[in-house]
Amino acid sequence: KNEVEQSPQNLTAQEGEFITINCSYSVGISALHWLQQHPGGGIVSLFMLSSGKKKHGRLIATINIQEKHSSLHITASHPRDSAVYICAPHSGGSNYKLTFGKGTLLTVNP
Amino acid sequence: GAGVSQSPRYKVAKRGQDVALRCDPISGHVSLFWYQQALGQGPEFLTYFQNEAQLDKSGLPSDRFFAERPEGSVSTLKIQRTQQEDSAVYLCASSLTLAGGQETQYFGPGTRLLVL
Repeated sequence: KNEVEQSPQNLTAQEGEFITINCSYSVGISALHWLQQHPGGGIVSLFMLSSGKKKHGRLIATINIQEKHSSLHITASHPRDSAVYICAPHSGGSNYKLTFGKGTLLTVNP
Repeated sequence: GAGVSQSPRYKVAKRGQDVALRCDPISGHVSLFWYQQALGQGPEFLTYFQNEAQLDKSGLPSDRFFAERPEGSVSTLKIQRTQQEDSAVYLCASSLTLAGGQETQYFGPGTRLLVL
């Protein structure tokens, strides 16, 4: 049933390091979301992208629709970036239904 | 309101008890989603409303789960005869227009349900 695979599952980094989280999916999609979830449950949408690359501050997201792969990069990581990062492509053929990866737990140490 | 709110934040239920979880979406948001998140897993889709119409309930795990949004704003997720496997965080999200997946979804803090 695992349509969305994220790697790594856990990632520990030192403050200032460049972070990459990968997402591969098996279904055809039109767009993909990257979400951030802090302890306690709150989820924040970081990006929605359907092609190419988007940048917001220190965060960069890229997607290759043909290769069914997306990456989330964090430059100059900071302890406040510690969270779970979740990739969520649209389910094939649906305008609204998201399929979520299990998430990548990022811990950035000072 | 400023964001999506959910209540209660925590709920402990005895097996067999009925529970009702409430979601207040952002005012004016057309689309509303319920998700279930088990410990250590990503959220899973339960159901989708467009205003008061429940357009997709394919993710509801059994007929013990029921959701409604009678006036197109507040939504309630009801679980009857709760079982231990229902223990999870129940997340609600809303988005502004009809094509919910093609735009930002705003998530509530979730209701953590523990069934003993």
